Amino acid sequence: KAGVTQTPRYLIKTRGQQVTLSCSPISGHRSVSWYQQTPGQGLQFLFEYFSETQRNKGNFPGRFSGRQFSNSRSEMNVSTLELGDSALYLCASSSGAGNIQYFGAGTRLSVL
Amino acid sequence: ILNVEQSPQSLHVQEGDSTNFTCSFPSSNFYALHWYRWETAKSPEALFVMTLNGDEKKKGRISATLNTKEGYSYLYIKGSQPEDSATYLCAFAHGSSNTGKLIFGQGTTLQVKP
Repeated sequence: KAGVTQTPRYLIKTRGQQVTLSCSPISGHRSVSWYQQTPGQGLQFLFEYFSETQRNKGNFPGRFSGRQFSNSRSEMNVSTLELGDSALYLCASSSGAGNIQYFGAGTRLSVL
Repeated sequence: ILNVEQSPQSLHVQEGDSTNFTCSFPSSNFYALHWYRWETAKSPEALFVMTLNGDEKKKGRISATLNTKEGYSYLYIKGSQPEDSATYLCAFAHGSSNTGKLIFGQGTTLQVKP
């Protein structure tokens, strides 16, 4: 069974630009969650999608948005990038609420 | 604001030592407590998901206990090996949300010296 795939693995952008990150979950998993990790911070929850609906959202500004497609693939978009958005972005898929989450390798975003 | 605390922040032990870490979480509206191991340059990997008070889980030399009434979980590693070097994360799933949202602690980074 293929694992969680995130693309791209690395990204360099400049302030003010926007970026889209992609996550393909494990086949059959309908829940996809997104997390941000910055130096000195633990994994911070961004949002979770289940069957194309956002079920929960973390404490991030509206510049961070996401969506999920009918095949459960998910995208995360960050508009008007700021230097502080430089981070590792991880997505995780699971078969249901409270179940084990399987993480992708992450996308490392650098904002210059 | 829901907060998950882990201690210690880091730990250096010798090969063969046994060690344990603590995860503290809110004791109300508990749904599940997860433990993950995160090795450098890899993805976080699930160790355990515990849902019942008094739960004990074991995977090889690693075991975990859960006390939902007082809001803590312990992770034990018996006879640490260099390959156990990693950051160990606990994550709390809140009962009222009952979604995929996990609140992670900052992690305990373990270094095992040969």
